[in-house]
Amino acid sequence: GAVVSQHPSWVICKSGTSVKIECRSLDFQATTMFWYRQFPKQSLMLMATSNEGSKATYEQGVEKDKFLINHASLTLSTLTVTSAHPEDSSFYICSELGENIQYFGAGTRLSVL
Amino acid sequence: GESVGLHLPTLSVQEGDNSIINCAYSNSASDYFIWYKQESGKGPQFIIDIRSNMDKRQGQRVTVLLNKTVKHLSLQIAATQPGDSAVYFCAEISGGGGNKLTFGTGTQLKVEL
Repeated sequence: GAVVSQHPSWVICKSGTSVKIECRSLDFQATTMFWYRQFPKQSLMLMATSNEGSKATYEQGVEKDKFLINHASLTLSTLTVTSAHPEDSSFYICSELGENIQYFGAGTRLSVL
Repeated sequence: GESVGLHLPTLSVQEGDNSIINCAYSNSASDYFIWYKQESGKGPQFIIDIRSNMDKRQGQRVTVLLNKTVKHLSLQIAATQPGDSAVYFCAEISGGGGNKLTFGTGTQLKVEL
């Protein structure tokens, strides 16, 4: 069964609003979670590494003030897309690190109008 | 570096045939490799993994082959079924990169009845 629960699965929002995506670990406590972004017909691109109790580590080119990550507990990491614009429309996927294997959530499709 | 594909290569096979999906990696320091399956609109699912000290590993209907000399990885699926239709990604982890996955371009597998 699923080890990572991601919510919502699909969200449509107006340009300029903020959207929060949640990623919950179901089976064990996840010290480290990852956030990815995937455009249609493309591979997954790592956005940031979320560490429980500390600041997230962002990949080069990812705006930390736009993509806010909070990992306040061992079972929950959130990604907030602030002031979303149409170009932020994408498929966002979280994962948690198990024993050497990353387990992925079902993904969130964000459509910004 | 990271691989970003603009066009997913497609492999079409007849139901019951064997499928071979290939992946080239660039980082010779990578020591752990994983194959993921991603169905449309879902997050990636773990299929099989292999460490760099091995050249072959078998699972249920799947086999992964690793050729470190030419930095090539392949996934073989025996007796391909319609449910195998998906995009398949190889991913690598380098010893010095923490647990960050670098994903390959991906291959769309289409199973024809």
